[in-house]
Amino acid sequence: KNQVEQSPQSLIILEGKNCTLQCNYTVSPFSNLRWYKQDTGRGPVSLTIMTFSENTKSNGRYTATLDADTKQSSLHITASQLSDSASYICVVSDRGSTLGRLYFGRGTQLTVWP
Amino acid sequence: EADIYQTPRYLVIGTGKKITLECSQTMGHDKMYWYQQDPGMELHLIHYSYGVNSTEKGDLSSESTVSRIRTEHFPLTLESARPSHTSQYLCASSESLDASAGEQYFGPGTRLTVT
Repeated sequence: KNQVEQSPQSLIILEGKNCTLQCNYTVSPFSNLRWYKQDTGRGPVSLTIMTFSENTKSNGRYTATLDADTKQSSLHITASQLSDSASYICVVSDRGSTLGRLYFGRGTQLTVWP
Repeated sequence: EADIYQTPRYLVIGTGKKITLECSQTMGHDKMYWYQQDPGMELHLIHYSYGVNSTEKGDLSSESTVSRIRTEHFPLTLESARPSHTSQYLCASSESLDASAGEQYFGPGTRLTVT
């Protein structure tokens, strides 16, 4: 069964600290993996998208890694800011059906305290 | 920020009422989606469209219906709202017909509460 599991479910850190969010997936055949940021009451906004051949991708203070062999990804946030408080969603797409589909994780709820 | 809009943003309505959630995008995308999201849970695809006059059901069974008469407009309708329909509804669009390729752009969502 194709699944995306994220950990931790929630995380509280102090402003200025770094943190790492985890994503494990069983989706096959793999097409790409995306990280989205979803602010409370808003729609998800894309942070990164990585294909099979990409190990690392950065977007400002966000750095995503992908290990396609172990089917794991992480999102590292550097020097956190209050505005980083949001849900971070891992999304994996397959190439199984003719036009692909997306599998969503439940997200990690990050809270940054001053 | 993506040019995809949803109205209303919040809706509280009584059981049995008919409601339509509006979604429009100005990016000229052919592929559009509706997702349902409960707090702390993953997004579930309930409807999608490849273009005008095309609508398909998603992975999660839903009592809602959709229409696609114009490229930019993809409304979702509930004929008779029930408390079980209480949820957040997110609309999205993408350039590519292949969901695994390219970006999906999400609207801000409609938070529906049925009393």
